[in-house]
Amino acid sequence: EAGVAQSPRYKIIEKRQSVAFWCNPISGHATLYWYQQILGQGPKLLIQFQNNGVVDDSQLPKDRFSAERLKGVDSTLKIQPAKLEDSAVYLCASSLDVVAEAYNEQFFGPGTRLTVL
Amino acid sequence: AQSVTQPDIHITVSEGASLELRCNYSYGATPYLFWYVQSPGQGLQLLLKYFSGDTLVQGIKGFEAEFKRSQSSFNLRKPSVHWSDAAEYFCAVGVFWGKLQFGAGTQVVVTP
Repeated sequence: EAGVAQSPRYKIIEKRQSVAFWCNPISGHATLYWYQQILGQGPKLLIQFQNNGVVDDSQLPKDRFSAERLKGVDSTLKIQPAKLEDSAVYLCASSLDVVAEAYNEQFFGPGTRLTVL
Repeated sequence: AQSVTQPDIHITVSEGASLELRCNYSYGATPYLFWYVQSPGQGLQLLLKYFSGDTLVQGIKGFEAEFKRSQSSFNLRKPSVHWSDAAEYFCAVGVFWGKLQFGAGTQVVVTP
């Protein structure tokens, strides 16, 4: 079974530039998560989708971050404009339907390491 | 508010020795608790989870964890570590709708 795919794996940009990350979840997984993991910290949830609808985006800095999952499958996370403090690993995870079973296992992708200079 | 504390930022252990990683949580209701492992350049992998029932849970790779409600703890243990266990370990509590609150992690170094 293919895992969660993310691209790119690494990205270096200047502050104030924009960047986008892509995630393809495991086939059949209705729930998709984007996490931000700053060095030395645990992952922090940015946004959670159920199919193509947003379940929770309370910790997403909406003035600069946006995310979409238009067809309920793959997803993109965008930062515009980037700040130095956005340097982090961005992890995507997916799980089976959390409406049916609240704590289905989350499967994580390898992440995208973003460096903002 | 819910929170997860991993008191040890870094642990060094000899290969073959036992390992215990501490996790304390704060949550108003019965918690759903998880341990994940993250190897360099890899995503997080679930080691084990506790939802209810037997307070000693077995996971993959020879790990186990014990839930102690009175101490608000969910410590992870392995009787004999292997060099491949060197990684970062995260404790997490499930809040609602599958959302996870992670601790800051414990880095484990295994020496020969």
